Amino acid sequence: DAGITQSPRHKVTETGTPVTLRCHQTENHRYMYWYRQDPGHGLRLIHYSYGVKDTDKGEVSDGYSVSRSKTEDFLLTLESATSSQTSVYFCAIGGGGRASSIQETQYFGPGTRLLVL
Amino acid sequence: AQSVAQPEDQVNVAEGNPLTVKCTYSVSGNPYLFWYVQYPNRGLQFLLKYITGDNLVKGSYGFEAEFNKSQTSFHLKKPSALVSDSALYFCAVRASVSGGYNKLIFGAGTRLAVHP
Repeated sequence: DAGITQSPRHKVTETGTPVTLRCHQTENHRYMYWYRQDPGHGLRLIHYSYGVKDTDKGEVSDGYSVSRSKTEDFLLTLESATSSQTSVYFCAIGGGGRASSIQETQYFGPGTRLLVL
Repeated sequence: AQSVAQPEDQVNVAEGNPLTVKCTYSVSGNPYLFWYVQYPNRGLQFLLKYITGDNLVKGSYGFEAEFNKSQTSFHLKKPSALVSDSALYFCAVRASVSGGYNKLIFGAGTRLAVHP
């Protein structure tokens, strides 16, 4: 999995509870992403980061926030978890940059399965 | 709008037969196209990509994909399917976001089932 770990791998939580998912990479890559995977939707981008403290919203960012204080760590926080946020969350690194890296491949972590009751 | 379509939810193939998993795309500018595979309870694994050049791209595990610009398609193929190829396959296209950065847009996925 290209030097990407995610923690926890499984999480069960209750509605209204804040949850933080962690992505850690050992590739020293500048670009990192959070996606969610839902049946019938493929993967959808939640937030991405193009450097330490530089983040931006993806297409499904409502209810989520991110932080990146170090190159290797990208945190995803569900501020107040809802049942609609039950999903599998994937972190990715690579690609995404401007013209110089547009050909780069994105590599994915193993995923975190989150169940919100 | 930039998008990717995988028209088949599931493809069934007998072991040893050729397989095709279809993908069409809509993107402004040059298309950068990717195929990923997901085995149960695993992350996505990169198979192959088309950036430029030869329309037939070879990738991992004996897979290849044919880029067809006129049909805006990027179908995944393998000459002889294995039971171990059974998995969920995703096509993706690189698209622009604000600030000149790029993201991947994924299709909904196609489940490939290879029967002995």
